[in-house]
Amino acid sequence: QKEVEQDPGPLSVPEGAIVSLNCTYSNSAFQYFMWYRQYSRKGPELLMYTYSSGNKEDGRFTAQVDKSSKYISLFIRDSQPSDSATYLCAMSYSGGSNYKLTFGKGTLLTVNP
Amino acid sequence: ETGVTQSPTHLIKTRGQQVTLRCSSQSGHNTVSWYQQALGQGPQFIFQYYREEENGRGNFPPRFSGLQFPNYSSELNVNALELDDSALYLCASSFAGAAGNEQFFGPGTRLTVL
Repeated sequence: QKEVEQDPGPLSVPEGAIVSLNCTYSNSAFQYFMWYRQYSRKGPELLMYTYSSGNKEDGRFTAQVDKSSKYISLFIRDSQPSDSATYLCAMSYSGGSNYKLTFGKGTLLTVNP
Repeated sequence: ETGVTQSPTHLIKTRGQQVTLRCSSQSGHNTVSWYQQALGQGPQFIFQYYREEENGRGNFPPRFSGLQFPNYSSELNVNALELDDSALYLCASSFAGAAGNEQFFGPGTRLTVL
């Protein structure tokens, strides 16, 4: 079993739709949870960063972490064609060790005008 | 504030050759991590450098090696290239001592091994 599982999609939605992206993980030591957006042939861009369980909202984006279920989500409201990209979940350990990120495989999202 | 930069953008090598990739960290950051991203996969951690020393390593053979310089820039060296080394190589910088682990990525170097 991989440490982080992410449905690779692809996911295709109409403009304005609410998008839900999800990851599950197996290692309960993970404390920091991130979502990155990666456009084709570019480096990942940090979108959302959450510590432990709870919700975090930033504009049209909401990140949720449920540590009891080992499940994290990213919601995109009023999706735009410019949101078309691969979305990667990533997580790391606690303790300020500044250690490695463990990534999911990424979900390819297309928002159609 | 200058972001993470990497060079070169693209590189084509043949099997058995050696390659050096370079990374300049974001202003104010002191830690550099390297990741390999194969096509259709998430990035895989290679290693991290802090204070010019390796600070953790992923499941990569010793022919993957690195350096960090006093100005926090870094190099990734790969010897005896294999076809499976073809990938996007990403560098990420961060600040050790921050409460979390926010890592900021550069644009990557796309390596093709023929």
